[in-house]
Amino acid sequence: GAVVSQHPSRVICKSGTSVKIECRSLDFQATTMFWYRQFPKQSLMLMATSNEGSKATYEQGVEKDKFLINHASLTLSTLTVTSAHPEDSSFYICSASLGQGGPYEQYFGPGTRLTVT
Amino acid sequence: GQNIDQPTEMTATEGAIVQINCTYQTSGFNGLFWYQQHAGEAPTFLSYNVLDGLEEKGRFSSFLSRSKGYSYLLLKELQMKDSASYLCAVMDSNYQLIWGAGTKLIIKP
Repeated sequence: GAVVSQHPSRVICKSGTSVKIECRSLDFQATTMFWYRQFPKQSLMLMATSNEGSKATYEQGVEKDKFLINHASLTLSTLTVTSAHPEDSSFYICSASLGQGGPYEQYFGPGTRLTVT
Repeated sequence: GQNIDQPTEMTATEGAIVQINCTYQTSGFNGLFWYQQHAGEAPTFLSYNVLDGLEEKGRFSSFLSRSKGYSYLLLKELQMKDSASYLCAVMDSNYQLIWGAGTKLIIKP
């Protein structure tokens, strides 16, 4: 149980274009989803937390107009990187949990490798 | 500020035992997680400690001392497939995960 999928697993796009990444909880309803970014040899950096049906909460330094998050249902959250630049190239990972504000385990998706040329 | 410290890299021999340490300073504590992350993949859950003591799960064990702000992950009977990064993460008073930078474990035959 507790499987989270991400699509696509890899994407290459040109600078200035937008890319959408989907995160789905396949066998449970995820009240809360998290989006992380990880640069090579660095730790996971939380970008934003989203709850179904409400606006995402962004971490300090993360541009909400650049990284659009939509948590439309209890099983789907999307991250859209708008007007991508080479410095946005990174490993994007989503996770899903049964709730927030408690010791809920996060179940991670397999990640999306974004390369902006 | 909040801080998680763990060694950057460790090397061990196949079949041996290795201990990966993690120290933390966070605003509040609601548990400590260990995750395994193979290169290019997402983290996978290994263990969760919220009370002091040792939790054993097969070849992996995790220890916590809240008074010392200290945890370790113990891996026994090392296998080549254990080569990965091991991430320590602490859940703070707001139930937000604070991540360490990870320890890259290299297993040699």
